[in-house]
Amino acid sequence: DGGITQSPKYLFRKEGQNVTLSCEQNLNHDAMYWYRQDPGQGLRLIYYSQIVNDFQKGDIAEGYSVSREKKESFPLTVTSAQKNPTAFYLCASSLTALWTGLYQPQHFGDGTRLSIL
Amino acid sequence: ILNVEQSPQSLHVQEGDSTNFTCSFPSSNFYALHWYRWETAKSPEALFVMTLNGDEKKKGRISATLNTKEGYSYLYIKGSQPEDSATYLCAFGLVGSSNTGKLIFGQGTTLQVKP
Repeated sequence: DGGITQSPKYLFRKEGQNVTLSCEQNLNHDAMYWYRQDPGQGLRLIYYSQIVNDFQKGDIAEGYSVSREKKESFPLTVTSAQKNPTAFYLCASSLTALWTGLYQPQHFGDGTRLSIL
Repeated sequence: ILNVEQSPQSLHVQEGDSTNFTCSFPSSNFYALHWYRWETAKSPEALFVMTLNGDEKKKGRISATLNTKEGYSYLYIKGSQPEDSATYLCAFGLVGSSNTGKLIFGQGTTLQVKP
């Protein structure tokens, strides 16, 4: 079955530690996104990538980094510079972002919940 | 700062009731409006993508309308069932983001349907 796989489901970070959240898709989608959800707020965009080896900052990119070396994979690293990392993180993909990107629905993974130890 | 507002924040209805909720978005620079359903312990699932003023979309008992001139969309559920219990998200895409797929999400409306 095609879909998006996020791992791990739960992650704990120690002070000063970088952690990486995995996102893999087998939908052959060009575009991938990372969102953060906090209680009572809408999903906020952290980073997005329209194509391999290219990505752009979203609205809340500070303290995060990404890479897009393969079409299927878009890992998110939460660095020690992110002072409030406790949140639920969702990865999404869509068929293409070029010109018709907003006409395409986004497909989501099950999410990773990150907490501070 | 662009904002997408959803109301109500939560809703409790009895099985069989029909219900509707609202998504308000900036009326200028509209490009697309998305609706997603997010059930507990699952991933958000796309319901509709709407692009034209006056658009009406339907999927089973769920339908949505779009008014881009006044900046709102309604989602209707006819004869609610317990399996409709979920958080319903709307997301707005504006001109200028058409080549990025970048969406602005509302905070969601959580629907609980009691048997």
